[in-house]
Amino acid sequence: GQQLNQSPQSMFIQEGEDVSMNCTSSSIFNTWLWYKQDPGEGPVLLIALYKAGELTSNGRLTAQFGITRKDSFLNISASIPSDVGIYFCAGHPGSQGNLIFGKGTKLSVKP
Amino acid sequence: DTGVSQDPRHKITKRGQNVTFRCDPISEHNRLYWYRQTLGQGPEFLTYFQNEAQLEKSRLLSDRFSAERPKGSFSTLEIQRTEQGDSAMYLCASSPPRRTLNTEAFFGQGTRLTVV
Repeated sequence: GQQLNQSPQSMFIQEGEDVSMNCTSSSIFNTWLWYKQDPGEGPVLLIALYKAGELTSNGRLTAQFGITRKDSFLNISASIPSDVGIYFCAGHPGSQGNLIFGKGTKLSVKP
Repeated sequence: DTGVSQDPRHKITKRGQNVTFRCDPISEHNRLYWYRQTLGQGPEFLTYFQNEAQLEKSRLLSDRFSAERPKGSFSTLEIQRTEQGDSAMYLCASSPPRRTLNTEAFFGQGTRLTVV
């Protein structure tokens, strides 16, 4: 089946540093979504990408839809303590209703 | 806009018992999804409704699982004869009508099931 490889699995950074994480797939996706999940809560949508090459920002977050349509990255600039959480990429293959998720990147921020 | 609402937030049940969870999607969202998430993993797709029609079911959805959306609004997920392996977070998500390929899914806070 289709799988998403998300890296890194975890990151420990200092407050103020920039963060970069990415997601790759073995097959083409028509949509890439990035979510953040806090412990015991549901994922919260951060950014949605719909076109190959698209670069979209949401405050300190920037995400890009890879030209090959098989990858995406998420950057967080000037990290703050509330950025702590697990970040998931998710892809929509287009032919089905469901989203396929990566295993997440756990972000820890030292004040 | 109240977002996707799930009830209960937590459920502890004895093995072998039946449990039912409810999801109220964002109003006017005709698409509704159920996902399951275990510790350290991303959400895994279980099933998908468009209005009242159940259009997709994952292989993860065993015969003990059944989902309904009778009037195309709220949905229920029932697990019969629960097993310890059913312990997980059950997430519901909804999406607005698809006019293009845009498919943003908005998640509820989940129902944490613990089978003892």
